[in-house]
Formats: sequence, C-alpha cells, structure tokens
Amino acid sequence: EAGVTQFPSHSVIEKGQTVTLRCDPISGHDNLYWYRRVMGKEIKFLLHFVKESKQDESGMPNNRFLAERTGGTYSTLKVQPAELEDSGVYFCASSHEGTFRVEQFFGPGTRLTVL
Amino acid sequence: RKEVEQDPGPFNVPEGATVAFNCTYSNSASQSFFWYRQDCRKEPKLLMSVYSSGNEDGRFTAQLNRASQYISLLIRDSKLSDSATYLCVGRDSSYKLIFGSGTRLLVRP
Repeated sequence: EAGVTQFPSHSVIEKGQTVTLRCDPISGHDNLYWYRRVMGKEIKFLLHFVKESKQDESGMPNNRFLAERTGGTYSTLKVQPAELEDSGVYFCASSHEGTFRVEQFFGPGTRLTVL
Repeated sequence: RKEVEQDPGPFNVPEGATVAFNCTYSNSASQSFFWYRQDCRKEPKLLMSVYSSGNEDGRFTAQLNRASQYISLLIRDSKLSDSATYLCVGRDSSYKLIFGSGTRLLVRP
C-alpha cells in the first residue's frame, strides 16, 4: 500500500512569490492533516480536513495560507505571497479515523525555502 | 510554557546501553500520547503509543504518569540503528498532534 506522498520534495522561491504544495493521503483515509516545522522549532499543526471539509484550521498562521481538498482526495496548501518566515518543512499526514488512538501516517515533507 | 516539553539532548551512549527520555505535558495535550521517531531529514514515524498502564514493545518501554503529567521512553540494549530524534507527542481534544521539540539520541560503537 502506498504511503502519504507529497510534492514537491523541495521548493526554493523568492519572497513575494506563490507556492503550492500537494499532498496525496493514503487511499481511503478521510482525515488529512497539515503540519510544519520551522527552523529550530517543534512541528506544529496547521489544519485538519475530514474528507473535503475543514475540521480545524486553528493552526493556520495567517490569511496568506490557503488549504483545499476538493473531492476529499488530495490536498493543496498555497502560500501567497510567501514571506521569509514561511521557510520550513511542511508535512502532511493522514489517518483512517479522527479518533485519539489512531495513528497518523506522515508524508516525507516538502522543504520550502523562501529567499 | 510549551504544551509538550522535552530535553533536546543529545544523549550520546555506547551500544548496549540503556537510555531513558522524559517528557512533560500540559492539560491541553492530554488526550493520548505517542512516541514518534524521526531520522535526519525524514518524516516522523510512530514508534509506539503510550498507555496509562505502561506498555512495552521489544526493547522499548513507555510509561505515563497522569498525576505528574509525565511520559517516559526507555530503550534497552541500544543499537546503532536507534540513533535518531525521539519526539514526544500529545493529542488534544480536537485530534491534532502536539509535538515536543524532540530528544536526539546518538548511539556510538
């Protein structure tokens, strides 16, 4: 069974540009999460989808970040316009259920560098 | 105060040693607990869940003390392949994971 995949693996852009990250969850997983790790900090939650609906977007830093999951399959996270502090590793995770004990499986991450 | 706190290490131990990591958590991160392992430039991978009664998986033992809001991970007979960052993770009432900053382990020959 294929794991969570993310594209691209790396992205280097200039401040002010737009970047779109993609996540393909494990097939059949209704729950999809975005997290990110900025330099020197712990991994932090961004948002949670259940199918195509945003269940919790309390971790989104500001309105420059837009996440979508049309059709309830893959998800995109767009940063527009990118700022220097957006640099970091963006992880996507998915799970079959959204309960407390169920494992979240992580993708390999997208390493974003904003110059 | 951070929701999940860990000693960043690094812990530098010889092969075969026993090493223990500790972690404290706040009320907001207290629905369930996990230890994840993260290799350099890789994604976090679940090592084990942490149950109130304590649980063991081979060389790894996890303990939870709710009264002290404290979680531990014990690794016995360390292997070179155990070198990684160990992430203490809580889960809040909305299912999101709350990560500690990680404890780095280096196992030397």
